[in-house]
Amino acid sequence: RKEVEQDPGPFNVPEGATVAFNCTYSNSASQSFFWYRQDCRKEPKLLMSVYSSGNEDGRFTAQLNRASQYISLLIRDSKLSDSATYLCVSATDSWGKLQFGAGTQVVVTP
Amino acid sequence: SQTIHQWPATLVQPVGSPLSLECTVEGTSNPNLYWYRQAAGRGLQLLFYSVGIGQISSEVPQNLSASRPQDRQFILSSKKLLLSDSGFYLCAWRGLAEEQYFGPGTRLTVT
Repeated sequence: RKEVEQDPGPFNVPEGATVAFNCTYSNSASQSFFWYRQDCRKEPKLLMSVYSSGNEDGRFTAQLNRASQYISLLIRDSKLSDSATYLCVSATDSWGKLQFGAGTQVVVTP
Repeated sequence: SQTIHQWPATLVQPVGSPLSLECTVEGTSNPNLYWYRQAAGRGLQLLFYSVGIGQISSEVPQNLSASRPQDRQFILSSKKLLLSDSGFYLCAWRGLAEEQYFGPGTRLTVT
């Protein structure tokens, strides 16, 4: 079983709509979580960290549910530029090794 | 501010040829450094990580090796490439809150 699992999508979203998706993690010892964004043929870029209390950054909201071991990302008022693959990431050890999900593809359409 | 460089950006190499990919980081000292590979349509696979000069930990036994000759330099090598070594190679450094920041990557095609 993979440590971090995501729905690969694609999630087809009309411009201006809201989209939300989750990822699940298997290691209950995971301490830190992140969402990264990866554009086609580019490196992943940190979108936001995920805090236990949930956090918001502009149109993006991340939530952590430790009891059910899932993380969510919600994008409001989707823009065409939000089209990308979103990677869910957990950190579980002191060496800084991260576990990456395979990504959820989001396609925002006009 | 910190920046991370990788080169070359793209590389086409024949099977059996050697490989050397370089990664350098600026604006930070003694960073934890990581090499990942991303095969087409797949997730990131951690290959090696280093917490200091000369220290390398290998995550996946394979045809590759890594070295860290200087504090801010991380090198990925192979003596003889295989077709299965094709992929997108990414170097990353670790930030203060366990997040990682990636270089632009090297896209390797083994023919």
